[in-house]
Amino acid sequence: KQEVTQIPAALSVPEGENLVLNCSFTDSAIYNLQWFRQDPGKGLTSLLLIQSSQREQTSGRLNASLDKSSGRSTLYIAASQPGDSATYLCAVRGGSEKLVFGKGTKLTVNP
Amino acid sequence: EAGVVQSPRYKIIEKKQPVAFWCNPISGHNTLYWYRQNLGQGPELLIRYENEEAVDDSQLPKDRFSAERLKGVDSTLKIQPAELGDSAVYLCASRGDRGLYEQYFGPGTRLTVT
Repeated sequence: KQEVTQIPAALSVPEGENLVLNCSFTDSAIYNLQWFRQDPGKGLTSLLLIQSSQREQTSGRLNASLDKSSGRSTLYIAASQPGDSATYLCAVRGGSEKLVFGKGTKLTVNP
Repeated sequence: EAGVVQSPRYKIIEKKQPVAFWCNPISGHNTLYWYRQNLGQGPELLIRYENEEAVDDSQLPKDRFSAERLKGVDSTLKIQPAELGDSAVYLCASRGDRGLYEQYFGPGTRLTVT
């Protein structure tokens, strides 16, 4: 059974800092991995999707990497801003097409 | 392009009452998902539809939960009767048949059972 773990559970940083969120998964047989953002009381917004054959994806100040063999992914946020404050969720898709989510990392960027 | 639409956004009911949630996926998306997200947790899949067929309902508590997608477009998720432990956010997602198979989520329905 696939299990996804996100560390840390919460993170508070000053504005402008570069930061890394971590995601690990137990079964390396995945099709893809998605990073989502969730604002309080809102749904999920997809940030980046990495196919199993890819090593990384970039979108603006966000960079996600994938090391499938070690079961790890990182989300790098450059020059953080208060508007980046949200919960970031990692999810992996296996053969059943079901997305298995971690519990998320709650990020607070202080002005 | 309109996103995934869900209603209602919030619902408060007493235990043992029935409740229903509605979802309209992105136009052209044949695959539709219902997830449940408990407080402080990631979403968990309840059911997946391919057009009007439920192809994965292994996580749906069938004694009290039911879902339908009669015309292969919008979908309804029902709970009858609701229990205190059903309080959660119910999320609907859809994806297209091409490209990255990326799932797009709606805003969710926050259910509180008292």
